[in-house]
Amino acid sequence: QVTLKESGPALVKPTQTLTLTCTFSGFSLSSTGMRVAWIRQPPGKALEWLARIDWNDDKFYNTSLKTRLTISKDTSKNHVVLTMANMDPVDTATYYCARTPMVIGGFDMWGQGTTVTVSS
Amino acid sequence: QSVLTQPPSVSGAPGQRVTISCTGSSSNIGARYDVHWYQQLPGTAPQLLIYHNTNRPSGVPDRFSGSKSGSSASLAITGLQAEDEADYYCQSYDSSLGAWVFGGGTKLTVL
Repeated sequence: QVTLKESGPALVKPTQTLTLTCTFSGFSLSSTGMRVAWIRQPPGKALEWLARIDWNDDKFYNTSLKTRLTISKDTSKNHVVLTMANMDPVDTATYYCARTPMVIGGFDMWGQGTTVTVSS
Repeated sequence: QSVLTQPPSVSGAPGQRVTISCTGSSSNIGARYDVHWYQQLPGTAPQLLIYHNTNRPSGVPDRFSGSKSGSSASLAITGLQAEDEADYYCQSYDSSLGAWVFGGGTKLTVL
């Protein structure tokens, strides 16, 4: 059974750095073609892709946020970590991690999401 | 504003057929990048509904189907049921942005 779960602070202050962890089970990020991504959704708005990390440690970022994002993985712990620097109230959103195997192309399994509010 | 354009809302009566369009451009759908569709029930995470334009993951009813032509794609839902009331998103890759992109979402109301 494949599961993903996001964890991190519910509240951050403006200018702070957000660190989110995706803990997954039921698959290995070492397997060829396996990938994990982060996607966010502001309240009442559409989904926005943020970053992706691949089995071979290739990393991809949303160009509009690239300077603020860092994605990394710890294969032994089944973790993917996303950091976002210089948080702003417009970054208030639900943040999801999702699996995206190459053979599927899309995001086939999602975590439940974690809500992050940016406020002083 | 998303590079993939969806109607904000569609509606239909139980048993009817509805379609949701997703219009892109030559840098995404028109560039032959695949389109994927997601269903987001109220208060829950999105779920993959259609991948690679026309394929259904196991467990997705065959009432849901996808198609793609030129720079556009469509999701069709037949035999509408009350449980289909949700937000639907298309998703593809845009080479100009170098990013995976989502449509703005379409809210389906079952009358």
